[in-house]
Amino acid sequence: EAQVTQNPRYLITVTGKKLTVTCSQNMNHEYMSWYRQDPGLGLRQIYYSMNVEVTDKGDVPEGYKVSRKEKRNFPLILESPSPNQTSLYFCASSFGTGGHGELFFGEGSRLTVL
Amino acid sequence: DAKTTQPNSMESNEEEPVHLPCNHSTISGTDYIHWYRQLPSQGPEYVIHGLTSNVNNRMASLAIAEDRKSSTLILHRATLRDAAVYYCILRLNSGGSNYKLTFGKGTLLTVNP
Repeated sequence: EAQVTQNPRYLITVTGKKLTVTCSQNMNHEYMSWYRQDPGLGLRQIYYSMNVEVTDKGDVPEGYKVSRKEKRNFPLILESPSPNQTSLYFCASSFGTGGHGELFFGEGSRLTVL
Repeated sequence: DAKTTQPNSMESNEEEPVHLPCNHSTISGTDYIHWYRQLPSQGPEYVIHGLTSNVNNRMASLAIAEDRKSSTLILHRATLRDAAVYYCILRLNSGGSNYKLTFGKGTLLTVNP
């Protein structure tokens, strides 16, 4: 089954404790991206990747890092989480990098930073 | 990067057609128009996309204005399961260096029984 898998789905952590949210897709997609969703602000893109070793900033990249060492994986790293990074996070992927590729989203990861 | 503008909310009755508008006045010639929806407590899901011509699929229809500065997602017969937030976004096809995506807040569609 084609899917985008995120882990963990739920996480409560404390300020400053490094964490990684993993994202994996089994569709051999080139494009992968991360979003955060906050009440009243909609979906905002954090980072995206056009292919292995090619990443770029979205609209809200501050406080986050990403890497794309393998095509299937695109982890989101919070080096020193802060309470304002409490949010619902989504990973998405699509075939190719052109505008005609439909995005497939994961089920989301709810992160709480105390 | 081109942005889209959608109404914050719309309301419809079950089994009636729904027309969800989206304005994208700064669209470039290589931008595809995509629509996604997000059901409560779920991740967004793809609905439909197009470039210039109107498009139909099993979920909906997409009507694109001739100047491409606006589009309308059409749900032909709304059901309670169509209650969701609908997002209209632009995806650059080629010829640029900025492939980031801006979703915005979308339109919250309420369907009344």
